[in-house]
Amino acid sequence: EVQLVQSGAEVKKPGATVKISCKVSGYTFTDYYMHWVQQAPGKGLEWMGLVDPEDGETIYAEKFQGRVTITADTSTDTAYMELSSLRSEDTAVYYCATDQGHSWFDPWGQGTLVTVSS
Amino acid sequence: DIVMTQTPLSLSVTPGQPASISCKSSQSLLHSDGKTYLYWYLQKPGQSPQLLIYEVSNRFSGVPDRFSGSGSGTDFTLKISRVEAEDVGVYYCMQSIQLPRTFGQGTKVEIK
Repeated sequence: EVQLVQSGAEVKKPGATVKISCKVSGYTFTDYYMHWVQQAPGKGLEWMGLVDPEDGETIYAEKFQGRVTITADTSTDTAYMELSSLRSEDTAVYYCATDQGHSWFDPWGQGTLVTVSS
Repeated sequence: DIVMTQTPLSLSVTPGQPASISCKSSQSLLHSDGKTYLYWYLQKPGQSPQLLIYEVSNRFSGVPDRFSGSGSGTDFTLKISRVEAEDVGVYYCMQSIQLPRTFGQGTKVEIK
């Protein structure tokens, strides 16, 4: 069974950096892209970017370019999403999701809540 | 970026009655490979989104046949033939013909 297990909730101050992990099991980590999606409280879903674990290549959404870094550690089958210069608007649940070679996301991680507050 | 627009944004349905959600994209989602890259997800309360429909009309594994998708080009519809209590949540359409992937605003379905 394919599973994505994310790290726990974080509370950060404005201006800080957060790094969330997503550990995969049930498939070969380097076979498929890993995506990250933001969901602000009571809001919809916003794609942030992806990483190809095979070579570490990344593509980011313009909105997050310059503040987000997505990486993949093939030694631990774990993907990471780092978001810097945090502001209150970054308070959200962040999901990782794999595409398993398809054009859709499945499965998703359970989500990680990041709260940005002074 | 492709803009995905859903209507309505909320829906209150009596159990056993049908429901329909519309999704319109700002550009055609028909690819030169013949596939149309439109998907439907359901996010149940407190859960991660789950895939319901892929490529307009194909039910994902385990999805009940009361869910159906239709449409082409830029206009798409998700239909639930007979709504059940377990169908409550927020439904999102998503396009994957190009990056960035974009989602509709979501349609909240509740039971009357």
